[in-house]
Amino acid sequence: TQLLEQSPQFLSIQEGENLTVYCNSSSVFSSLQWYRQEPGEGPVLLVTVVTGGEVKKLKRLTFQFGDARKDSSLHITAAQPGDTGLYLCAGAYSNTGKLIFGQGTTLQVKP
Amino acid sequence: DAGVTQSPTHLIKTRGQQVTLRCSPKSGHDTVSWYQQALGQGPQFIFQYYEEEERQRGNFPDRFSGHQFPNYSSELNVNALLLGDSALYLCASSLVGAHEKLFFGSGTQLSVL
Repeated sequence: TQLLEQSPQFLSIQEGENLTVYCNSSSVFSSLQWYRQEPGEGPVLLVTVVTGGEVKKLKRLTFQFGDARKDSSLHITAAQPGDTGLYLCAGAYSNTGKLIFGQGTTLQVKP
Repeated sequence: DAGVTQSPTHLIKTRGQQVTLRCSPKSGHDTVSWYQQALGQGPQFIFQYYEEEERQRGNFPDRFSGHQFPNYSSELNVNALLLGDSALYLCASSLVGAHEKLFFGSGTQLSVL
């Protein structure tokens, strides 16, 4: 069974704190994506990482793809209340059209 | 430029009934995928349509079927509804060859009573 495990599942922090979300799998993916989803909305793509060891930055968000392309992390610096939401990682295989999603990390940033 | 649109936004059905959900892809996209997202979980892949054919299918029973029309829009049909079918159904569109760049609609929240 293909499985992506995210940790932690829930995270409640104060504004200004840093946090890291992890996404791990036993499978090798051609790429890995991170999405953010707000209540009542569909997931919105934040970033796609393709190369093992790749690091991408999006303002205060830093995404890393593991060297073996099996795992990834999302680090948020100085979290803001606007960062509150469900963060999803998803693995893709180059020869299929489907994504395998993790169960998500619910982040709450308190002002 | 309209994004992915889904209808209806909310739906309440009873066990055993049938339901049809609709999706219009983002302008210029030719591939539509459907996902089921249970409360507190990540989306699960149901199937994908391209050129009016089902190209990929996830681990869902035959009660789940779909269709893609010549204008690339798509429908998801679920027969003999079960309580466990209650979920947010998400449609995502993409371009063929760029399946990893999905654009999601806001979903249809289905409640089965």
